Formats: sequence, structure tokens, C-alpha cells
Amino acid sequence: ILNVEQSPQSLHVQEGDSTNFTCSFPSSNFYALHWYRWETAKSPEALFVMTLNGDEKKKGRISATLNTKEGYSYLYIKGSQPEDSATYLCALYNFNKFYFGSGTKLNVKP
Amino acid sequence: EAQVTQNPRYLITVTGKKLTVTCSQNMNHEYMSWYRQDPGLGLRQIYYSMNVEVTDKGDVPEGYKVSRKEKRNFPLILESPSPNQTSLYFCASGSWTSGFQETQYFGPGTRLLVL
Repeated sequence: ILNVEQSPQSLHVQEGDSTNFTCSFPSSNFYALHWYRWETAKSPEALFVMTLNGDEKKKGRISATLNTKEGYSYLYIKGSQPEDSATYLCALYNFNKFYFGSGTKLNVKP
Repeated sequence: EAQVTQNPRYLITVTGKKLTVTCSQNMNHEYMSWYRQDPGLGLRQIYYSMNVEVTDKGDVPEGYKVSRKEKRNFPLILESPSPNQTSLYFCASGSWTSGFQETQYFGPGTRLLVL
């Protein structure tokens, strides 16, 4: 079992704030890192798949970076909006299996 | 519409009564997987399948069985459910031929209560 850790566990920000959170994973045998957005009462939806050290991906106000040598990925949300409220999951793909972190729950107050 | 479907969405059963949760995808994905989600824990992989007739254990396979007789279907079988299998279950599919550079797609989830 590979240990994937996400921090913080939860985050409360005001509308308009920018925020970021971290996904840490074992740096050896890295293959791919996935980010998902999971709204309450729905199923996880894909944000990014990252495979190369130094990868940066962006979708609207959300972006992510990857450092495979030190074993972490950052997710950034610029100018948070209430509709960004969700749990953000990262998952390490390694030898055909997925290992999920427990998520960062983001609450954006209007 | 590309999707992963699961049935049933909600299920209440009693200890020991065999049940099957179905999962189907229409995207011709090779990879399919089952996860359970419990409070305070991340998604944990139960079983996965790389293709038809190829299945393997995830991190928490005890008490579960799967089969992959067709590419589109990947049912989860609980032969003798116990209360500790009360959980939210997700099926997912994805294409791994590109080295999993594409994402997984998740079904809507099945909430199971075992009394």
C-alpha cells in the first residue's frame, strides 16, 4: 500500500481568495498523478492527469503542478468562488493500482 | 453520452444475503475498478480489471468478488455481506493503453447498508 497524503484536511476561504493545497506521495516508482473534484452527492470528476516532473496543468482558474523527485503536487485555485466548494482528491497510479488521498474539503463562503 | 452506470443506487440488506452491484460503461475502456469510500478515509480500491478475463485485487478485496466476462461490465459480488461492508461504492473505468494519461470516469455510486 502506498501512502498518499493530502493537506490540509479542510479549508474555509472567502469568495475571491486564492488558495492551494498539497498532495504528497512516495517519489519512487512514480507513474501518474490524478486530481479529481468531488461535490457532495455526486461522483468524482476529473481535473488533471500529470505524468512528468515539472508538469503544469491549467483549467480555468484551477491549476496544478507536479514534482516527482520530491513527491508532491500542488493544486491552486485563483479567485475562489462558492461553486468551487467541493472535496479535491489526488490519486497516485502505480503498477496498475490507484492510491487515493483522503482529500481536501474546500468551503468557499460568499 | 459517455457514462458509467451502477445499479442499484441504494441498497439495504441483511448479513449473509448475497448481493450483486452491477457496473457498465459505454466508452470501450479496458480498465475498470471498484472503490469503497468510508468517512475519514480516501477511496480505497477493492478490485480492478485490466481487460476481459483479467482481474486483480486492490487494497481491500476481502469479502468481495468480481468478474469481467465482457468489456463493458464489471459486477461486484458480495457473497456473504457483513455490517463492515456498509459503505459508499464507486465503479470507475478508464483507458490505460496510453499509460493512464487519461482519467478515470466514475459511476454515480451505490450506497449499501448491511444490517
